[in-house]
This record gives sequence, C-alpha cells and structure tokens, in this order.
Amino acid sequence: NAGVMQNPRHLVRRRGQEARLRCSPMKGHSHVYWYRQLPEEGLKFMVYLQKENIIDESGMPKERFSAEFPKEGPSILRIQQVVRGDSAAYFCASSGNHYGYTFGSGTRLTVV
Amino acid sequence: KQEVTQIPAALSVPEGENLVLNCSFTDSAIYNLQWFRQDPGKGLTSLLLIQSSQREQTSGRLNASLDKSSGRSTLYIAASQPGDSATYLCAVSGNNNDMRFGAGTRLTVKP
Repeated sequence: NAGVMQNPRHLVRRRGQEARLRCSPMKGHSHVYWYRQLPEEGLKFMVYLQKENIIDESGMPKERFSAEFPKEGPSILRIQQVVRGDSAAYFCASSGNHYGYTFGSGTRLTVV
Repeated sequence: KQEVTQIPAALSVPEGENLVLNCSFTDSAIYNLQWFRQDPGKGLTSLLLIQSSQREQTSGRLNASLDKSSGRSTLYIAASQPGDSATYLCAVSGNNNDMRFGAGTRLTVKP
C-alpha cells in the first residue's frame, strides 16, 4: 500500500497560469480531502469529495478554484489564473469511514 | 461550526522533561480525534487516533486522552527528546466525516 500519493511535490507557476494538483488516495479509501497551509499557519479545510461527488466545499474560494474526484483516476485540485497569494502547501488526505486520515506529502505551489 | 483550539501555540522545554499539549473543540459530537506531527516543510504523520467511544490511546512515549463531554484532549509526551521537536496538530472528525484542525503547538526540545 503506497499510501496517499500527491504530485507534483513542487510546482512553480507564473501569475495567470493554471495549476493542477493531483492526489491518489490510499487503496480502499473513498473519501478525499484537500487542505491548504500557508507559511507559519495551520491547515485550512478546502473541500471534501467522494467518488464523483463534492460533499463539502465550504472552504474553497468562490472563484478560480475547483476540485474533482472522478470515477477513475486521481482527485484533482485546479487553480486557474494563479496569483501570488495562492503560494502555499496543498495537502490531500484520504480516509475510510471515520477511521482517521492519512495524509500525502503535499504539493508546494510557488507563484512567481 | 466546529472550532479547534490548541494551547500553547509554542512550547520550549529541556530534554528529558515530560510535557502536555492541549486541544479543545467546541462541538462534542465527534467521531474521532487524531493527533499529528508535522516537521518543517514536510507532510503530516499520524501519531494517535482516538475513537469517540475511547478515553485514551498510547504509543510508546505518547499518550493521548479524550474527554468528549468537555471538548478536550491532551497529548502527553514522556521523557522528551530533541527529535520530538515539531509542530503537533490536533484534528477532530465530525458527523460529515470531515476533519477540522487546530493551529498547532510548535514544540522545541533543547538538548
């Protein structure tokens, strides 16, 4: 079991470009969560997905950010027209039902 | 809305000392509580998971307790070592299977 896999580990984008962050959950886990961590701050919940469904997106910015978890393939967090303020570490976690989370190593996005 | 608070925000202790990290949450209707460790620039490593029906969990020098009715959890670290230096995060999982995090306690253990 390879755990939660996130890629890329580091991503550099120029302002205005798109960023795509991928997350493959642990085998057997059907719940995926995305969190953002700004430097020197805690983790902020962004979105919770199950296969093909967004369950809770209360933490997602209203514009430019979207997430999906298709029937096949990894979950994708997509940030359009990135700005410097989007620079952060983005963590994905997966879980079975109420058995705790397993986190990926994160994607560190730098917008230049 | 669940809010999770961790006190203190930072803690510095000499090596060998026993210490306690505190976590409180506003909504006692939780399914579980999990303690994580995060090293600088790294991801999160799960330390202990306590289901809502449990009172405590132990792993090596770590012991976590849960008092659901009062909305509190503590992480006890015995005989601290410099390698324990990290940020410790508390997170609670609610009815919707989502998890909310505290801001963390940044621990420094001095040799």
